[in-house]
Amino acid sequence: DTAVSQTPKYLVTQMGNDKSIKCEQNLGHDTMYWYKQDSKKFLKIMFSYNNKELIINETVPNRFSPKSPDKAHLNLHINSLELGDSAVYFCASSQVEGEQFFGPGTRLTVL
Amino acid sequence: AQTVTQSQPEMSVQEAETVTLSCTYDTSESDYYLFWYKQPPSRQMILVIRQEAYKQQNATENRFSVNFQKAAKSFSLKISDSQLGDAAMYFCAYRPPYNQGGKLIFGQGTELSVKP
Repeated sequence: DTAVSQTPKYLVTQMGNDKSIKCEQNLGHDTMYWYKQDSKKFLKIMFSYNNKELIINETVPNRFSPKSPDKAHLNLHINSLELGDSAVYFCASSQVEGEQFFGPGTRLTVL
Repeated sequence: AQTVTQSQPEMSVQEAETVTLSCTYDTSESDYYLFWYKQPPSRQMILVIRQEAYKQQNATENRFSVNFQKAAKSFSLKISDSQLGDAAMYFCAYRPPYNQGGKLIFGQGTELSVKP
């Protein structure tokens, strides 16, 4: 059973396109997150949702819009993709005060 | 500002030997959590060990243990009897109190290689 899943695992697209990454967790967690890992492998929080409500937005450009249709899903939509958006994007989930479980990551390459 | 620093970009250890990875952090909070995550080439993030700041006792998980020095804001990871499968990028992470959203703040990572 996959705890936190992401689709797709790889995404290659042209500059200026719009793309989405989907995340689902079957752990019954209340909180979900998006992290970005850059080319130097540095990981940084982008967003956090608790029970479908946005609670963290870490100075991410407006082109990035998270959407949480229910507490098991947190999708990331990116408009007008730029070269600098190329990275690995990780979804994670946790209970309050609990361990964060990470998805397998989505490697986004913008050409 | 809350920051995490890993000053060793790369480390190397002989199989079966012991290695210690360093981590320091900066916070004005008294209640928080600290973690070590492992990221092998598969890129999956795997939790290695966690430490609650209110606990004085150092956490241990099999061959992995930490040296938590709260006053010095230091949180090092010791890997005993290193195995080839331990080769990976290791990230130290700090989590502030949950009322700040539960986010993890990561260090820059330490790439560990294990020599047979």
